[in-house]
Amino acid sequence: GAGVSQSPSNKVTEKGKDVELRCDPISGHTALYWYRQSLGQGLEFLIYFQGNSAPDKSGLPSDRFSAERTGGSVSTLTIQRTQQEDSAVYLCASSLVGGANTRETQYFGPGTRLLVL
Amino acid sequence: GDSVTQMEGPVTLSEEAFLTINCTYTATGYPSLFWYVQYPGEGLQLLLKATKADDKGSNKGFEATYRKETTSFHLEKGSVQVSDSAVYFCALSLGSSNTGKLIFGQGTTLQVKP
Repeated sequence: GAGVSQSPSNKVTEKGKDVELRCDPISGHTALYWYRQSLGQGLEFLIYFQGNSAPDKSGLPSDRFSAERTGGSVSTLTIQRTQQEDSAVYLCASSLVGGANTRETQYFGPGTRLLVL
Repeated sequence: GDSVTQMEGPVTLSEEAFLTINCTYTATGYPSLFWYVQYPGEGLQLLLKATKADDKGSNKGFEATYRKETTSFHLEKGSVQVSDSAVYFCALSLGSSNTGKLIFGQGTTLQVKP
C-alpha cells in the first residue's frame, strides 16, 4: 500500500517568508509525528498528533512553528517568518496507534528539504 | 534527560568485513530500542527493533541485542556488502512519555568498499 508522502520534496524560500509543509500519513494510522533533521542537531522530535489533537508539542523550537492535523489524516507544519537556522529536512512519520505503545514501528516519509536564503 | 549515543563515523569497511556500530542509551524507564537506516537519497526505514531486555532484533543479516545491564543496543553484521552503505540511527521510545516519540542518536555513516 501507499506509504507516508510529503510535499513539497524541496522548498527554497527567502528569510522572513512563511512556508507550509504537508504530510499524508498511511491510511488508518492515528499517530503522526514531525521530526527535523539538520546537520548541527541531528534528528529532533517536533510534535506528536493523536487523531487531530497534539498532546505533545514540546519539540517545536519557537512560536514561529505550528502544526495542525485535519480529519485525522493530513497534517501541515507551518513555519512563519523563516530564518536561516530553519534550514533542514523536515520528516513526517506515522504509526498505527502511537502513544504509550512504544513497540510500534513509525513509518517515515521521504522528507521536505527546506532551504532558507 | 533521555538520550542515545552512537559511535562516531564514518565507518569504512571492505566488503565481507564484520560490522559493529555501538549504541548506548540513558533512559528513566524501560524503552523500546530501534535501529533505523537511511540509504542514499531515501527516507528513514526501520531496520530492526527490540522491546524488552534480552530481546534480539534481526533483519537482513543485521542483529542487535537489548542489554539492560550495559544500557546498550549495538548493531552487528557478520559480512557487510556494498549495498549496506548508508547512515544508521539508533533510537529509543519511552512509554512514560505517552507519545511514542523517538529519541535518536546522531547517526553513523557506513561506507563499504568493494
